[in-house]
Amino acid sequence: GQQVMQIPQYQHVQEGEDFTTYCNSSTTLSNIQWYKQRPGGHPVFLIQLVKSGEVKKQKRLTFQFGEAKKNSSLHITATQTTDVGTYFCAGKANFGNEKLTFGTGTRLTIIP
Amino acid sequence: GAVVSQHPSRVICKSGTSVKIECRSLDFQATTMFWYRQFPKKSLMLMATSNEGSKATYEQGVEKDKFLINHASLTLSTLTVTSAHPEDSSFYICSARDFTGGELFFGEGSRLTVL
Repeated sequence: GQQVMQIPQYQHVQEGEDFTTYCNSSTTLSNIQWYKQRPGGHPVFLIQLVKSGEVKKQKRLTFQFGEAKKNSSLHITATQTTDVGTYFCAGKANFGNEKLTFGTGTRLTIIP
Repeated sequence: GAVVSQHPSRVICKSGTSVKIECRSLDFQATTMFWYRQFPKKSLMLMATSNEGSKATYEQGVEKDKFLINHASLTLSTLTVTSAHPEDSSFYICSARDFTGGELFFGEGSRLTVL
């Protein structure tokens, strides 16, 4: 079945440093979504990417969708303590298939 | 954004009893709801997909007789863990999607502990 892997599994960064998590799917995706889950909380939608090579920005967050639509990345510039949490990508494999497969997640901790 | 309410947030039960978890979309009609299970520090594992008025579609390895899902209305889906055992202890999260089929709105999750 479809597998979605993320690296790294854990990332500890000094506040102010940048952070990147990478998402790789075993199959071509129709779209990819990113979610953030704070410790003890539930996942919250961040963004959806649909087009090959698409890049979207939300303030300090930059999201990319690979040309082959099999990988994606999330980059955070100048991390803040509020960025703490686990970031999941979630991919939809085929049009008409409503199921999202979640990535393994990257847990970000910030050292003040 | 849209709100999905999940209840109860925490439940402790004895082994052998059944537990029902409710998932409600408060301000939109959820044509599709998903139920996930999440182990500590792990990803979300999809258990089943439910569409209003039809039988749920279960993922491979998920026992449909163990985890009963009902999606009787466009705003409510329930997950019943039948004859719960300690290995069923976990964090269960529902999510809902409206007719646009875009982002998922998640409930707050239900932490089940089976003694």
